[in-house]
Amino acid sequence: QQPVQSPQAVILREGEDAVINCSSSKALYSVHWYRQKHGEAPVFLMILLKGGEQKGHDKISASFNEKKQQSSLYLTASQLSYSGTYFCGTVSGELDDYKLSFGAGTTVTVRA
Amino acid sequence: NAGVMQNPRHLVRRRGQEARLRCSPMKGHSHVYWYRQLPEEGLKFMVYLQKENIIDESGMPKERFSAEFPKEGPSILRIQQVVRGDSAAYFCASSPGRETVEAFFGQGTRLTVV
Repeated sequence: QQPVQSPQAVILREGEDAVINCSSSKALYSVHWYRQKHGEAPVFLMILLKGGEQKGHDKISASFNEKKQQSSLYLTASQLSYSGTYFCGTVSGELDDYKLSFGAGTTVTVRA
Repeated sequence: NAGVMQNPRHLVRRRGQEARLRCSPMKGHSHVYWYRQLPEEGLKFMVYLQKENIIDESGMPKERFSAEFPKEGPSILRIQQVVRGDSAAYFCASSPGRETVEAFFGQGTRLTVV
């Protein structure tokens, strides 16, 4: 079961903030965030394990609400380099389900 | 991540031919995922393997597609009798183990079926 991401796309000006949400119908063991630029491979940003932790990577941070089966990615004071498609990947906490499944992605465009 | 090597980067096949895509995981990684990505779309899970074992192949079409990860050598995704609809980018990602930690992607193989 793929996670659901929202919004599908967002356009920002440099310096603005954005939030990308990822939700699952299943209990989650972990949430993974990646960014992919056009024609390139997805690049790992961060992983969050169940326990409700929050992580940061430069001005990009994420939270994981295990009870709500949701994660959010926060882009703070966005830079042009933040443009790309962001994917959340999830691993469920269900028995024998170890696959990493991805949402449809959120396209972020940061303009000067 | 430069550590995961996929080859070839681009592959052109005529309809009916076979396509073999290779993925060498990062050093120390024993688990490999394969994904298919159509233009402007997401990463569709195909198969999850560890050395000499298929863990989950629920995303793999039942016919024409197969995957392996032998004890020695790269993981291979094999597509027999390719059709135009198989044209896509195929990415592999590797991780150290089943208890999920970071998975890193290779640069992908762009398959074009003519």
